[in-house]
Amino acid sequence: QVQLQQWGAGLLQPSETLSLTCAVYGWPFSGYYWSWIRQSPEKGLEWIGEINHNGDTNYNPSLKSRVTISVDTSKNQFSLNLNSVTVADTAVYYCARVSATVLYAMDFWGQGTTVIVSS
Amino acid sequence: EIVLTQSPGTLSLSPGERATLSCRASETISNNYFAWYQQKPGQAPRLLIYGVSSRAIGTPDRVSGSGSGTDFTLTINGLEPEDFAVYYCQQYGSSSWTFGQGTKVEI
Repeated sequence: QVQLQQWGAGLLQPSETLSLTCAVYGWPFSGYYWSWIRQSPEKGLEWIGEINHNGDTNYNPSLKSRVTISVDTSKNQFSLNLNSVTVADTAVYYCARVSATVLYAMDFWGQGTTVIVSS
Repeated sequence: EIVLTQSPGTLSLSPGERATLSCRASETISNNYFAWYQQKPGQAPRLLIYGVSSRAIGTPDRVSGSGSGTDFTLTINGLEPEDFAVYYCQQYGSSSWTFGQGTKVEI
């Protein structure tokens, strides 16, 4: 059974960099894309970006200038960096697996990390 | 980007009734890259339906998806207590995903 476990800082000040990591257990890391999604009352569910085991990335155009997603295949982990955060980046952040087997839906999710941006 | 609009915002029903949730896309969705998720308070979304009408592992057969083009429907027959939750539609296209704003199914 695939398990995604995520962690990272939950309280940031404006202009700081958000950093989260997601570890994948119980399934090969290769052969999939691994995504970050966030959820806020204002914007609902918003896809941030994705990466595969080769380091190929795709980003949401609205966030692309501030987002970097990286991968560490030796640890079966991938990470999200979002720089220059503002109050508008306050949200619950999720990592998830994207699978071609389910026609590019997201079949396994992390538990979520609440990130609050406040001065 | 493709915008997904779900209706209604809230559906008030009783256990045993049928729930019909709609999702309309601003453009035609190709290749059946369309899914539905269920989310309960404090939990991550859970994949229910993928490819418009295929049930994910663990999705009961009282839950079904249908549609094509720009109009899609999630139907839940005989609502069980565990079905009261928020439901989101999602589409994939041009290497990006968008979600609907959600429909809350409440008792």
